[in-house]
Amino acid sequence: QKEVEQNSGPLSVPEGAIASLNCTYSDRGSQSFFWYRQYSGKSPELIMFIYSNGDKEDGRFTAQLNKASQYVSLLIRDSQPSDSATYLCAVSADDKIIFGKGTRLHILP
Amino acid sequence: KAGVTQTPRYLIKTRGQQVTLSCSPISGHRSVSWYQQTPGQGLQFLFEYFSETQRNKGNFPGRFSGRQFSNSRSEMNVSTLELGDSALYLCASSPTGPYSYEQYFGPGTRLTVT
Repeated sequence: QKEVEQNSGPLSVPEGAIASLNCTYSDRGSQSFFWYRQYSGKSPELIMFIYSNGDKEDGRFTAQLNKASQYVSLLIRDSQPSDSATYLCAVSADDKIIFGKGTRLHILP
Repeated sequence: KAGVTQTPRYLIKTRGQQVTLSCSPISGHRSVSWYQQTPGQGLQFLFEYFSETQRNKGNFPGRFSGRQFSNSRSEMNVSTLELGDSALYLCASSPTGPYSYEQYFGPGTRLTVT
């Protein structure tokens, strides 16, 4: 059973600080990696995707991928209260997407 | 471009009944995937359709089925409903497929089975 693991949280981060969200996956053959944000009562929204080892930056968001360690992370700089949400890590495996159960992030004003 | 739409948004059914959910993808998107989301299990993949063909299927019983029409709209059917089928059902569309491209989710259908 291929899995994606995330710490459920909640992760509490002061406003303006860096929030670091982590995800590990079991399938060494995975090629595509995604981060989704889901506000309470809403559907997931794609915020980042990464296919190659290293870092990918988009505004305040940075996705980091380390295939050797089977580890993907999301950094949110200058955290804002509006970043409070559940963040889902998703990984491709066997032509499907497997989602982690998500990490709840709470930004403290 | 209009986003992914799902109907109905809320549904209450009784055990043993069947239900059909509908999803209209973003214009031009040919892949539609369905997911079940529950607090305990998270987001779980049901199946994916591409050009009217089921390309992938998750680990759900045969009571869960789907289809896709020539205009890429998709329906999902659940027969003989069980209490455990209560969940948020999400549809997501992408141009080519969920594993090589980003997906865009609809607002979901909240199904309650009593």
